Amino acid sequence: QLQLQESGPGLVKPSETLSLTCTVSGGSISSSSYYWGWIRQPPGKGLEWIGSIYYSGSTYYNPSLKSRVTISVDTSKNQFSLKLSSVTAADTAVYYCARLSPDDYGDPGWFDPWGQGTLVTVSS
Amino acid sequence: QSVLTQPPSVSGAPGQRVTISCTGSSSNIGAGYDVHWYQQLPGTAPKLLIYGNSNRPSGVPDRFSGSKSGTSASLAITGLQAEDEADYYCQSYDSSHVVFGGGTKLTVL
Repeated sequence: QLQLQESGPGLVKPSETLSLTCTVSGGSISSSSYYWGWIRQPPGKGLEWIGSIYYSGSTYYNPSLKSRVTISVDTSKNQFSLKLSSVTAADTAVYYCARLSPDDYGDPGWFDPWGQGTLVTVSS
Repeated sequence: QSVLTQPPSVSGAPGQRVTISCTGSSSNIGAGYDVHWYQQLPGTAPKLLIYGNSNRPSGVPDRFSGSKSGTSASLAITGLQAEDEADYYCQSYDSSHVVFGGGTKLTVL
């Protein structure tokens, strides 16, 4: 079945850029109609959607993070990536990647499956 | 503040029925967008529990059910079990953006 796995540095210095990759196995990231997304969860807090990318390459970002976020896809490696610039301690969180299925109208629907998540700490 | 509002906590005794509400607005749930629910056990990634307001993925017990009306949605859990103790999140869509509720911690007494 489809599986997703996040990878990247677990420690990032303030003001630097956080970079994570999500590797998809058991299926093609180029499958039509699906979105692929990033979600984060600060320690002890709730889920926050970061952004999503459509299989065609169109991107959608959380307005509160839009100026700092870039999501891209590499179909040759079956991966999609997240870059978050100018990080601060407030960006410390577990970062999840997930497949986002469209609803009946083609809009982003639900996240399933999810990766196991990776903790990224922002600290000097 | 989350765009979707959930109670911070709910509780119930084993065997009882509990409901978790998810209140939105005319730009998300009230606009007709679907609501989805996730269960997050301690230390694990969220797991899809309900999609499209009331549909259960394969493997999710029928003790879990979802509904939607107007600008709100609800998750109901019947026959509460100790293993249901977890955090629950609702999710929908609003103005081209995915939105989550703040989460509800379910305690099984």
